[in-house]
Amino acid sequence: NAGVMQNPRHLVRRRGQEARLRCSPMKGHSHVYWYRQLPEEGLKFMVYLQKENIIDESGMPKERFSAEFPKEGPSILRIQQVVRGDSAAYFCASSPSLGGYEQYFGPGTRLTVT
Amino acid sequence: DQQVKQNSPSLSVQEGRISILNCDYTNSMFDYFLWYKKYPAEGPTFLISISSIKDKNEDGRFTVFLNKSAKHLSLHIVPSQPGDSAVYFCAASIYSNDYKLSFGAGTTVTVRA
Repeated sequence: NAGVMQNPRHLVRRRGQEARLRCSPMKGHSHVYWYRQLPEEGLKFMVYLQKENIIDESGMPKERFSAEFPKEGPSILRIQQVVRGDSAAYFCASSPSLGGYEQYFGPGTRLTVT
Repeated sequence: DQQVKQNSPSLSVQEGRISILNCDYTNSMFDYFLWYKKYPAEGPTFLISISSIKDKNEDGRFTVFLNKSAKHLSLHIVPSQPGDSAVYFCAASIYSNDYKLSFGAGTTVTVRA
C-alpha cells in the first residue's frame, strides 16, 4: 500500500510565478491536510479538505493561496505570485477518518523562491 | 505564535542510554498530545500519543509523560538505538478539533555508537 505521495519533491520558482504542489493520499483515505514548515519552526496547519470540499482553511494565508481536492486526481495546493517568504517545506497528510493520530504524512515539497 | 515549544534543538545520547525529549505548550485548551518521528527526506510518522486524562503512556521503548499543571510533556526512549537518530516533533490538538495539529520546531536526536 503506497504511502502519501507528493510531487514535486523540490520546486524552484522565481518571485511572481505560480507554484502548484500535488498530493495523492493513501488509498482509501478521504481526508487531506496541508501543513507548512518555515525554517526553524514547526509544521503549521493550513487547510483540511475532503473530496470536492474545503472543510477548514483557517490556516491558509488570505491571499494568493488556494487548495482543492477534486473528485478525481490529487489534491493541489496552489500559490500564486510567489514571494521569498513562501519558501518552506509543504507537507500533505491524509487519514481514513477524522483524527490527528491517524494522519499519515507525505515526504513534503520543498519550495524555494528566488 | 508558537503554542508548542521544543526548546532543545538537538540531543546527543550514547547507544543504550535514555533519551529524554521535552516539550512545553501554552494553550490550556490542548488535551491531546502526539510525538512524531522524522527521517531526512521523509514525512513525519506517528510515534505515540497521550490524552490529557492520563499522565503516562507506554509503547515498547517509548514512554510519554504529561504534566498538565506545568503544561509540559516529555518523551523517554529507553534504550536508545542508532535507528532512533531522527528529528522528533511534539504536537498537540484540542480534541474537539483534533485534525488541526500544532507542532513544535523539533528536536534532532543523534544516537552515538
